[in-house]
Amino acid sequence: GNSVTQMEGPVTLSEEAFLTINCTYTATGYPSLFWYVQYPGEGLQLLLKATKADDKGSNKGFEATYRKETTSFHLEKGSVQVSDSAVYFCALLPGQAGTALIFGKGTTLSVSS
Amino acid sequence: GAVVSQHPSWVICKSGTSVKIECRSLDFQATTMFWYRQFPKQSLMLMATSNEGSKATYEQGVEKDKFLINHASLTLSTLTVTSAHPEDSSFYICSALPGQGGIYEQYFGPGTRLTVT
Repeated sequence: GNSVTQMEGPVTLSEEAFLTINCTYTATGYPSLFWYVQYPGEGLQLLLKATKADDKGSNKGFEATYRKETTSFHLEKGSVQVSDSAVYFCALLPGQAGTALIFGKGTTLSVSS
Repeated sequence: GAVVSQHPSWVICKSGTSVKIECRSLDFQATTMFWYRQFPKQSLMLMATSNEGSKATYEQGVEKDKFLINHASLTLSTLTVTSAHPEDSSFYICSALPGQGGIYEQYFGPGTRLTVT
């Protein structure tokens, strides 16, 4: 079946530190991969996506590369800011159109100044 | 951008009563909406897929008679928790898939926190 595994949080960093949040997946077929972010009190927002192997998604300084050989989609940012504090969800969309996303458990990131 | 609203944002109800949660796509038509449930510090678990004008498709283990889903229009889906019990307390999140968009364009509501006392 399809599943997503994320590193356990919380992750606590100082401003300008390097961020990595690991995400691995299990899937049949050719899924698309996503990172969503949920700021306190808000809904989920799409952060970035990759639809095929070796694609790199990027947005707001975050990036993640779709690695089929390691079934991974790790999220990275070179220099985090306090405003990046949020919960980050890795998600997988199976190959069929109109299907629901499958989420990892979420990783809470807390950045202090 | 595409906006999805949920109402109410939080609700407290007594055990045995029913609660209705609305999910609206404000500036687009959604042929498909999804309902998720999120427990504290846990992932979003898909409850059901709602298609406009047809019956919802429920995930295994989700009680159809307890969680009634209606998708009567292209902009509104409702989730009714019937005869609520404390174990139904959770964070309920909907998402909407635009009819004309690609498979990636899924927009989420802000969620509804339900507490059953």
